[in-house]
Amino acid sequence: EVQLVESGGGLVQPGGSLRLSCAASGFTFSSYEMNWVRQAPGKGLEWVSYISSSGSTIYYADSVKGRFTISRDNAKNSLYLQMNSLRAEDTAVYYCARNTATLYGSYYFDYWGQGTLVTVSS
Amino acid sequence: SYVLTQPPSVSVAPGQTARITCGGNNIGSKSVHWYQQKPGQAPVLVVYDDSDRPSGIPERFSGSNSGNTATLTISRVEAGDEADYYCQVWDSSSDHFYVFGTGTKVTVL
Repeated sequence: EVQLVESGGGLVQPGGSLRLSCAASGFTFSSYEMNWVRQAPGKGLEWVSYISSSGSTIYYADSVKGRFTISRDNAKNSLYLQMNSLRAEDTAVYYCARNTATLYGSYYFDYWGQGTLVTVSS
Repeated sequence: SYVLTQPPSVSVAPGQTARITCGGNNIGSKSVHWYQQKPGQAPVLVVYDDSDRPSGIPERFSGSNSGNTATLTISRVEAGDEADYYCQVWDSSSDHFYVFGTGTKVTVL
């Protein structure tokens, strides 16, 4: 059974830092691209960042570029998101999500973790 | 950037059919994926590539995509279908490669 378990969320002051982790199990983690997706309270879903299976290709949403860093450790079956210079608008539930490519050149998220809440407030 | 527009809410009686639209410029040329999210839970994929269902998703969930509108159809609606639904496309030209729709709250009357 595929499982994704996030951790590391919490309350942090504006300008502060936080590191999220996502522990993966039930599949060959090193073969899959992974993502972080967030959801502000009462709002919709927003893609945050992508990392290829080897870690060699990385993308970020403009809203977090230069402040967030995605990484992975395939030996530990783990995905990370280092978040620096946090702002109030970064307050959200952060989900890790497994990436799947389709035959038509599209991509979607076939498995999601339960999410971890990050609150940025003084 | 690419924008996907959904109606904020759809109401439907049990046993009836709910149709949730997702509008985007020439969305018919893209593959559309749909997620169901119940309160306090993570999203769950219910349709991918316009009309395919992952294993375990009931046949009551179906999708179509043409022109400027994609549609998720839920037939014989049940109380357990009450949730938020999001469409999603992948757009390499967007600043957000993975673009989500604005979301639709489905209420079962």
